[in-house]
Amino acid sequence: KAGVTQTPRYLIKTRGQQVTLSCSPISGHRSVSWYQQTPGQGLQFLFEYFSETQRNKGNFPGRFSGRQFSNSRSEMNVSTLELGDSALYLCASRTSVNTGELFFGEGSRLTVL
Amino acid sequence: GDSVTQMEGPVTLSEEAFLTINCTYTATGYPSLFWYVQYPGEGLQLLLKATKADDKGSNKGFEATYRKETTSFHLEKGSVQVSDSAVYFCALNAGGTSYGKLTFGQGTILTVHP
Repeated sequence: KAGVTQTPRYLIKTRGQQVTLSCSPISGHRSVSWYQQTPGQGLQFLFEYFSETQRNKGNFPGRFSGRQFSNSRSEMNVSTLELGDSALYLCASRTSVNTGELFFGEGSRLTVL
Repeated sequence: GDSVTQMEGPVTLSEEAFLTINCTYTATGYPSLFWYVQYPGEGLQLLLKATKADDKGSNKGFEATYRKETTSFHLEKGSVQVSDSAVYFCALNAGGTSYGKLTFGQGTILTVHP
């Protein structure tokens, strides 16, 4: 069974640009969550989507947005990039059974110059 | 709000030494508790979990017991190997409508020398 797949793995952007990251969950998993990992703030929850609906949202500005498609694939978008948005963005999926056990992808490393 | 506190790191050990990484939490209700491990350049992998008080999670020689009275979930291993070198994260999930949201500790870097 394939794991969580994130694309692209690495990308470099400049301030003011926008970026879209993609995540394909494990087959059969309908929930996708996104996390930001930085050396200073650690791992922080961005949002969760389940059956194309946002279920939870972390404490991030509106520049961070996401969506989920009918096939459970998810994208997150960051607009008007700032230097502080440089981070590893991790996607995780889980089954529809009520459990907090998440399966993580390898992440997309974003560098903002 | 919910929070997780891990012992300050990094931790450096010799091979076959005993490992303890402390983790305490603050949460309302009855959270599930997890230890995740992150190897260099990779995402997070679930190491072990416990979903209720007094549960013991175990995997690959690692163990942790959910202690509600001390709000702790300390990670232990009797004999570490060089291949255990990684970053270890303690996390909680509050359940309810928040099953997709994990609250993480700050992570503990473990380095094991031969």
